[in-house]
Amino acid sequence: QVQLVESGGGVVQPGRSLRLSCAASGFMFGDYGMNWVRQAPGKGLEWVAQIWFDGSNKYYSDSVKGRFTVSRDNSKNTLNLQMNSLRGEDTAVYYCARDGWDSGLYRGMDVWGQGTTVTVSS
Amino acid sequence: DVVMTQSPLSLPVTPGEPASISCRSSQSLLYSNGYNYVDWYLQKPGQSPQLLIYLGSSRASGVPDRFSGSGSGTDFTLKISRVEAEDVGIYYCVQALHSPRTFGQGTKLEIK
Repeated sequence: QVQLVESGGGVVQPGRSLRLSCAASGFMFGDYGMNWVRQAPGKGLEWVAQIWFDGSNKYYSDSVKGRFTVSRDNSKNTLNLQMNSLRGEDTAVYYCARDGWDSGLYRGMDVWGQGTTVTVSS
Repeated sequence: DVVMTQSPLSLPVTPGEPASISCRSSQSLLYSNGYNYVDWYLQKPGQSPQLLIYLGSSRASGVPDRFSGSGSGTDFTLKISRVEAEDVGIYYCVQALHSPRTFGQGTKLEIK
């Protein structure tokens, strides 16, 4: 079935780095744009980054621009998020989400992973 | 950045009664193709968000027809015709036209 599984979360000290991954299965990964969305404890959803289906374009929220890098390996059906210079405010559950696409039209973020937790603390 | 403002933030509803959530954007979300790039998501307790409505008014696959989305430009509404117990959770609108994408604050629906 169509599935996204995040991994790589953990506890990390401020200023350090962490790399998250999202393994896709059950669909043609290389045909879809992908997103990272996060949720701080007790807070709402915050969009973090997007990458086009072929990796040609990448977009970031202002809060992570210059520190986070989104990438993908379509041969391995994997989405990544390299997080550098981590701060306490980056503490959150990180979800990967697929941009639905059909007949040339956006169809919402239609598939979500279960999330991976990142805690930035000394 | 586009600001998405939801109201109300808390919504107690009696089962079987209708419910409505408003979402207003600081910029128009109507694209030249005639579609409004606003989605609605529900995050049930302890779960990942799930897509309910995309492009303002299109129901996602498997979403009950008691959920409907409407609006254009800067004013959007999610309606539930008859609330059921399984509808509890936090509802979010999000705009997907301008970068960065931005979410509303969320509306917590609870059963009376």
